[in-house]
Amino acid sequence: GQNIDQPTEMTATEGAIVQINCTYQTSGFNGLFWYQQHAGEAPTFLSYNVLDGLEEKGRFSSFLSRSKGYSYLLLKELQMKDSASYLCAVRRRADSNYQLIWGAGTKLIIKP
Amino acid sequence: GAGVSQSPRYKVTKRGQDVALRCDPISGHVSLYWYRQALGQGPEFLTYFNYEAQQDKSGLPNDRFSAERPEGSISTLTIQRTEQRDSAMYRCASSWAPNNEQFFGPGTRLTVL
Repeated sequence: GQNIDQPTEMTATEGAIVQINCTYQTSGFNGLFWYQQHAGEAPTFLSYNVLDGLEEKGRFSSFLSRSKGYSYLLLKELQMKDSASYLCAVRRRADSNYQLIWGAGTKLIIKP
Repeated sequence: GAGVSQSPRYKVTKRGQDVALRCDPISGHVSLYWYRQALGQGPEFLTYFNYEAQQDKSGLPNDRFSAERPEGSISTLTIQRTEQRDSAMYRCASSWAPNNEQFFGPGTRLTVL
C-alpha cells in the first residue's frame, strides 16, 4: 500500500535552520512535492524532486533519496512567517493516471 | 482572477439535503482535482479530471458523491443526501498538466447539521 510519514510537530527558533523529514512507501513513484499551508489557508507549492539530490530555492531546499524512500525539507534563516504546516506529497503513476498521496503534515512552530 | 476560485466559501445544510460545490480553475489548466481535508490532516484525494474526462474517481467515498466538468473548465462536486460525516473542508486544485504542481483554491467549508 501507500504510506507517508512525517513528524506531527516541530519547534524551532527564529533565525535558525530546521529539517523536516518525510519517508514514504509507494509503488509507481513519480516525484515528491512539498507544500506549505498556513492555518486556515490553502496549500501552496514549495518544491518538487523527481531525481535524487538536493534542489535549492532561496531559503528552502528539498532533498530526495529514492532508494531510501526519504525526503527532507530544509528551511534556513527561519522567520516568524514560516510558522505553518508543511505537507509532503508523493506522486504515483498507475497506467496513464497520476495521483498525489499526501502526508498528514508537520506543524512548524517558530519561536522568537 | 488569476487563481483557483471556489464557491460557496461556506455552506451549512441540513442532513438529507443535496449540495453542489463549484470550482473555477486557473484558465488553461488541463487537470482539475477535488480533495477533502480534515483539520490537522493532509488533503484526501476524491477525484480528478483531464479536460472534461474524469480520469480517476477512486477516492469518492460512496455513490452519494459525484463530480463533473462538462466543458473542461468549471467543475461541480455534488453530494446527495448529505450526512453529518460529510462535514469537512472541500478543496479544489488545478494544474497545467497531470504531472505539474497543483494550485489550490480557498476551499468550501461544508457543515451538515
